[in-house]
Amino acid sequence: DIQMTQSPSSLSASVGDRVTITCRASQGISNYLAWFQQKPGKAPKSLIHAASSLQSGVPSKFSGSGSGTDFTLNISSLQPEDFATYYCQQYNSYPITFGQGTRLEIK
Amino acid sequence: QVQLQESGPGLVKPSETLSLTCTVSGDSISDYYWSWIRQPPGKGLEWIGFIYYSGITNYNPSLKSRVTISVDTSKNQFSLRLSSVTAADTAVYYCARDESGSEADWGQGILVTVSS
Repeated sequence: DIQMTQSPSSLSASVGDRVTITCRASQGISNYLAWFQQKPGKAPKSLIHAASSLQSGVPSKFSGSGSGTDFTLNISSLQPEDFATYYCQQYNSYPITFGQGTRLEIK
Repeated sequence: QVQLQESGPGLVKPSETLSLTCTVSGDSISDYYWSWIRQPPGKGLEWIGFIYYSGITNYNPSLKSRVTISVDTSKNQFSLRLSSVTAADTAVYYCARDESGSEADWGQGILVTVSS
């Protein structure tokens, strides 16, 4: 199985800040990388697929980059509704695997 | 806009079989791949498997011996069966629609507790 490692595991930031979350795959996955946002008690929401393609309706404050083994999710101008847990996911090979999550908290 | 809704028992006894159904509305089940994902309380996400309307499936090897995913195109539904459950199978179970390989749309989830 491909292991996905996110860093940091938790992150404190202020409204208006820009943050970066990283995700590293244990082997190359080309650009088969997705990012999800999950708020407490809610289902995950797809933000980005193919490493950098925004899902329909997702604001452009979210951006993704990377290829191979190293990927990043950037969130600019943080707003209260952005504080959530973020997961990366590889779908290059089965079984599909997720990172452990990054909890973004308000400072 | 596609909508997905999980249904089934919220409590299952140890050693029994967990059975859930996902009802799809707003789109034909024949057009995409459909997945099940679970999340134990307070923990991360685990992919269970997917099915295509033709019946093609792919399961997580960690669960493969106990999992069956099936589809009913006449009802626009797909289902999950997980046998011989233990407390470790207690989780929120999500169904989802795959688009370009990743889960684009999710149901709201259903908590299934394994307990006697």
